[in-house]
Amino acid sequence: DFVMTQSPDSLAVSLGERATINCKSSQSVLYDSNNKNYLAWYQQKPGQPPKLLIYWASTREYGVPDRFSGSGSGTDFTLTISSLQAEDVAVYSCQQYYSTPHTFGQGTRLEIK
Amino acid sequence: QVQLVQSGAEVKRPGDSVRISCKTSGYTFSRAFIHWVRQAPGQRPEWMGWINAGNHHTEYSQKFQGRVTITTDTSASTAYMELRSLRTEETAVYYCARGGRNETSGYSWFDPWGQGTLVTVSS
Repeated sequence: DFVMTQSPDSLAVSLGERATINCKSSQSVLYDSNNKNYLAWYQQKPGQPPKLLIYWASTREYGVPDRFSGSGSGTDFTLTISSLQAEDVAVYSCQQYYSTPHTFGQGTRLEIK
Repeated sequence: QVQLVQSGAEVKRPGDSVRISCKTSGYTFSRAFIHWVRQAPGQRPEWMGWINAGNHHTEYSQKFQGRVTITTDTSASTAYMELRSLRTEETAVYYCARGGRNETSGYSWFDPWGQGTLVTVSS
């Protein structure tokens, strides 16, 4: 199985500052035939299901604020929130869909400093 | 808009089975995949399997092979997940989720998700 490891486990950032979350896959999720990275990012708030933010590693879902961006390729990926807002407090998780079983990172808890 | 609405919370004994429904709306049911994912308290989500709602083909995580069955009722735009021989450690919130918009395989992201169904397994 693909093991997804995120860093850090938790992060405290001041309002308006940048937040960066990393995700590393145990194997490459880049599919050579279409040059796409099979990786998504989700935001989860307490008592709610995960909400899709990013897919194909860097494509922002409709309606997701442009302060959220994804980057990376192969095995190393980053989710960046350019200017933290109070409503961004949540757990963020990466997920690979290159191979089954689809697997998730352990999550990064983002708080306000 | 696309919505997935799941059935209510369940309390089960070890060894029991549970069947959860996931009623969809807002899109053509047969043109998407439905995935099932569970999340135990404080744990990362765990993918259980998918069904192609168009041809009913399924794929399951090897971890659940033989204990899980995912089905659909196309006339009701509803998917079902049955998990048998429940163990106490399988207490979790179980989610259904649609596969990525316009994606034609099970190898896609999940969006949107149902609200979740808490399954408590306790003796």
